[in-house]
Amino acid sequence: DTAVSQTPKYLVTQMGNDKSIKCEQNLGHDTMYWYKQDSKKFLKIMFSYNNKELIINETVPNRFSPKSPDKAHLNLHINSLELGDSAVYFCASSQLGRQGTNYGYTFGSGTRLTVV
Amino acid sequence: SQQGEEDPQALSIQEGENATMNCSYKTSINNLQWYRQNSGRGLVHLILIRSNEREKHSGRLRVTLDTSKKSSSLLITASRAADTASYFCATDYLGGGADGLTFGKGTHLIIQP
Repeated sequence: DTAVSQTPKYLVTQMGNDKSIKCEQNLGHDTMYWYKQDSKKFLKIMFSYNNKELIINETVPNRFSPKSPDKAHLNLHINSLELGDSAVYFCASSQLGRQGTNYGYTFGSGTRLTVV
Repeated sequence: SQQGEEDPQALSIQEGENATMNCSYKTSINNLQWYRQNSGRGLVHLILIRSNEREKHSGRLRVTLDTSKKSSSLLITASRAADTASYFCATDYLGGGADGLTFGKGTHLIIQP
């Protein structure tokens, strides 16, 4: 049983296309996240979603939009893909403690996006 | 930026030796966590140390936290080839709530057989 699963694992697409990455967690966690990992392995948070509250990193272009049909899913939709969007995208989930304390993530295995 | 920093960026040691990685951060935290990432994989949670703790052990891992210096270290004892991976510290900032963890830039550890 995979706790956090992302699909697809690899995605190669042309500039200008629109694509989606799916993420599902079966841990019953209340918060889900999307991170972008660049070629230098730097991890940058893009979005977090908790009980229908979406927190957006202000540096993320509005071509990126998260969609959560329910608590177990947080999909990432990207419009008008650009070369600079090439990276590995990770989904993660966590169960926040009292006062929002974060005791750790469970990560998906990542989606390697290549824009050509 | 609240971005943490790890050092060294890369570390290569012989199997059986101890590996030490350091992490610094910038503001008050609830806790600090360490993660491992094997090549081509997602990150795996290793250990968490709360802001009121100074040292924690888990198997061959030892983590220390110095909140006055805003720094932490991860020691892996008796290293094995399978420990080859990138290691990241991540901080849960006080009042961060659902903002999420902030990750450092990582230390790439290579264990030579």
